[in-house]
Amino acid sequence: DTGVSQDPRHKITKRGQNVTFRCDPISEHNRLYWYRQTLGQGPEFLTYFQNEAQLEKSRLLSDRFSAERPKGSFSTLEIQRTEQGDSAMYLCASASPQGANEQFFGPGTRLTVL
Amino acid sequence: AQSVTQPDIHITVSEGASLELRCNYSYGATPYLFWYVQSPGQGLQLLLKYFSGDTLVQGIKGFEAEFKRSQSSFNLRKPSVHWSDAAEYFCAVWGTASKLTFGTGTRLQVTL
Repeated sequence: DTGVSQDPRHKITKRGQNVTFRCDPISEHNRLYWYRQTLGQGPEFLTYFQNEAQLEKSRLLSDRFSAERPKGSFSTLEIQRTEQGDSAMYLCASASPQGANEQFFGPGTRLTVL
Repeated sequence: AQSVTQPDIHITVSEGASLELRCNYSYGATPYLFWYVQSPGQGLQLLLKYFSGDTLVQGIKGFEAEFKRSQSSFNLRKPSVHWSDAAEYFCAVWGTASKLTFGTGTRLQVTL
């Protein structure tokens, strides 16, 4: 499968724990995006990488959130000291250098914080 | 700042009937517009996109959308809905900071 993959697909954690999600973009896509989607809402932009550089961060990305893309390939999104309000679907998308406006989405990681 | 409004939260149509989902956008420059579909628990699949040129764009699964600059709209249409089209539909605009801004979505229910 050559699409965007995300791992895990589901994560249940207790409040206060740390969680980490992984995203593997389509090969040769240099742009990678993270979005968060809560129930009944559209996805909201969190952050954006071009290669390994993190170029944009939303105000939604509090200090408890950190994203990395160390080698310009896969990316991780870590949430420290999770809160119930962090429960959401976390979506990753990638885009090629030529078609940067068109983003291809992964299946998402659904986080439930108890 | 860019924004997208999808005024219909939930729409129910009969199988075989026509469909129109509304989308209005706000963006200062020429917008790049998208429609995505999301099945329950899944990621988003691109249906179609508008960048420039012909204002009527064709997409996958028999969908089309028309860009109307004067109305700031990009409505999605399908002549004959199939039961498998039941899903959530999102309109989005690409703008500043290379990000997509999505509407709140329209949930489509199809009755047999």
